[in-house]
Amino acid sequence: QKEVEQDPGPLSVPEGAIVSLNCTYSNSAFQYFMWYRQYSRKGPELLMYTYSSGNKEDGRFTAQVDKSSKYISLFIRDSQPSDSATYLCAMRNGNSGYALNFGKGTSLLVT
Amino acid sequence: EPEVTQTPSHQVTQMGQEVILRCVPISNHLYFYWYRQILGQKVEFLVSFYNNEISEKSEIFDDQFSVERPDGSNFTLKIRSTKLEDSAMYFCASSERGGVGGYTFGSGTRLTVV
Repeated sequence: QKEVEQDPGPLSVPEGAIVSLNCTYSNSAFQYFMWYRQYSRKGPELLMYTYSSGNKEDGRFTAQVDKSSKYISLFIRDSQPSDSATYLCAMRNGNSGYALNFGKGTSLLVT
Repeated sequence: EPEVTQTPSHQVTQMGQEVILRCVPISNHLYFYWYRQILGQKVEFLVSFYNNEISEKSEIFDDQFSVERPDGSNFTLKIRSTKLEDSAMYFCASSERGGVGGYTFGSGTRLTVV
């Protein structure tokens, strides 16, 4: 079983829609969770950083972590064409090391 | 906003040659990292570097690879005897502390081995 699973999509939504992006993971030692946005041939850009179960909101973005289910989500409200990108979940061990484990990314297109 | 700078943006090299990828991390960050992304695949951790030494490395980071902080601002990744399968985007990242608050990535160097 892969450590971090993420549906690659593509996901196509109309402008203004609410987008839900998800990742599941298998390693219960993961304690820190991030969402990155990546435009084509660019570096990942940090959107959200969380370390506890529950919700964290920043503007149009809400990150949700459910450690009991090993499931994290990113919600994007009022989606815009400029949100079209690949969204990567990433997480790391809370006990040792700083290496991030990434999902494969979900490609989002807002039209 | 502070950013991580990587040079060159694209490098083409012949198989068997050595390449050095360069990065300037954010100035007050103490932890530095290299990741790579093979086309169509996920971003993979290579190495982390703190206090002038490697703190963690992945199975990918074998004797072919080395990292160095030659001065107070640059952080380099050297790949010796490049192979076709080394073709990928290489990302440098840095963090203020050990990843607390997230990591800032550079725009990457696209390495093409021919």
